[in-house]
Amino acid sequence: AQSVTQPDIHITVSEGASLELRCNYSYGATPYLFWYVQSPGQGLQLLLKYFSGDTLVQGIKGFEAEFKRSQSSFNLRKPSVHWSDAAEYFCAVGAQGGSEKLVFGKGTKLTVNP
Amino acid sequence: DTAVSQTPKYLVTQMGNDKSIKCEQNLGHDTMYWYKQDSKKFLKIMFSYNNKELIINETVPNRFSPKSPDKAHLNLHINSLELGDSAVYFCASSQDHGSYNEQFFGPGTRLTVL
Repeated sequence: AQSVTQPDIHITVSEGASLELRCNYSYGATPYLFWYVQSPGQGLQLLLKYFSGDTLVQGIKGFEAEFKRSQSSFNLRKPSVHWSDAAEYFCAVGAQGGSEKLVFGKGTKLTVNP
Repeated sequence: DTAVSQTPKYLVTQMGNDKSIKCEQNLGHDTMYWYKQDSKKFLKIMFSYNNKELIINETVPNRFSPKSPDKAHLNLHINSLELGDSAVYFCASSQDHGSYNEQFFGPGTRLTVL
């Protein structure tokens, strides 16, 4: 079964600084990988996803993520953080075939200082 | 024009009561899900339905019974509520049940059991 780890529970950055949120997955084959964002009091919204092909994927709101098979990682990045990016970020992994469920990481809370 | 809607948004009830949460999607999707998010923000799938048929049933107490009257609706009924059921419950939908699909989430229902 697949699993995902987000090592950082809480990250604080200053507005305008760069951001990298870490995600490591465990799965025997190439997984489906996702980053979702949850603003306070809201449901989750998809930022970006990776299935195959180009390992650098672009998403909404200026986010990007890079799939590194050798490191089993799918880290999320943004070059310049805005105060509105403060939210909870979830990495998720889906298996090809099998139970077809998504497994979510425990999330990273992002705080943005003015 | 809400894509995935849930009612109610908040639900406060006593232990031992029975309650229902309703979910509707207007995206024309075939698959719907229920997730539970605990106080530490951990998000875990409970059930998924594809075209009104149950396809994922995680280790959930029998007190939880999903019902899908049609593919646009997935309701969650909970019997004999317990303190540990307090959480935010999210409904989601996707085009089909493949884990490569983007899932669209509702705003959540915060259930508090006293």
